[in-house]
Amino acid sequence: NAGVTQTPKFQVLKTGQSMTLQCAQDMNHNSMYWYRQDPGMGLRLIYYSASEGTTDKGEVPNGYNVSRLNKREFSLRLESAAPSQTSVYFCASSATPGTAYGYTFGSGTRLTVV
Amino acid sequence: AQRVTQPEKLLSVFKGAPVELKCNYSYSGSPELFWYVQYSRQRLQLLLRHISRESIKGFTADLNKGETSFHLKKPFAQEEDSAMYYCAPPRGSRAGTYKYIFGTGTRLKVLA
Repeated sequence: NAGVTQTPKFQVLKTGQSMTLQCAQDMNHNSMYWYRQDPGMGLRLIYYSASEGTTDKGEVPNGYNVSRLNKREFSLRLESAAPSQTSVYFCASSATPGTAYGYTFGSGTRLTVV
Repeated sequence: AQRVTQPEKLLSVFKGAPVELKCNYSYSGSPELFWYVQYSRQRLQLLLRHISRESIKGFTADLNKGETSFHLKKPFAQEEDSAMYYCAPPRGSRAGTYKYIFGTGTRLKVLA
């Protein structure tokens, strides 16, 4: 009954450090997504993976990389963290791209870059 | 560019008053539209889908193709409705790829 699991839940980084946000889903969904949520900006799509083995850029991909490790897992990497990347990051999955049944979201990772 | 607009960042209403959260889209054709809700410090969850014409927690949303709107409505607001609401447009397809772009969200505060 886990759905979409994100780790870690909280993280503080220094400018220039790197880290990987992990996301895993157990619903056998084909598509996975990474969003960031900022006050007044809503949800913005960083990267998505329509199916295993494919990834594509979203609205705000600069400074990030992703890996679709397998059907279950989709990780987001910050190679050199910047204060502008302070945000709440949400992973989501769906059965198919743009499915009529919508997305299932993870609980989020609150990242602070100092 | 295809986009969805939620003109109100914050909407405050009194308990028992009607609520309407606005969402307009610029997509052509027959879009599939959704509303998501995020209660304080929780994950986003699907509230309703227009294709199912359902009513969840007293909320309804009708797709108005003439006005290209998908406003979320509830006749009598409750304090537990206080949350962030996102309108989610249809897939922004291009050559078979999909980009699920959300609106900027409206924070609803229901006052006692």
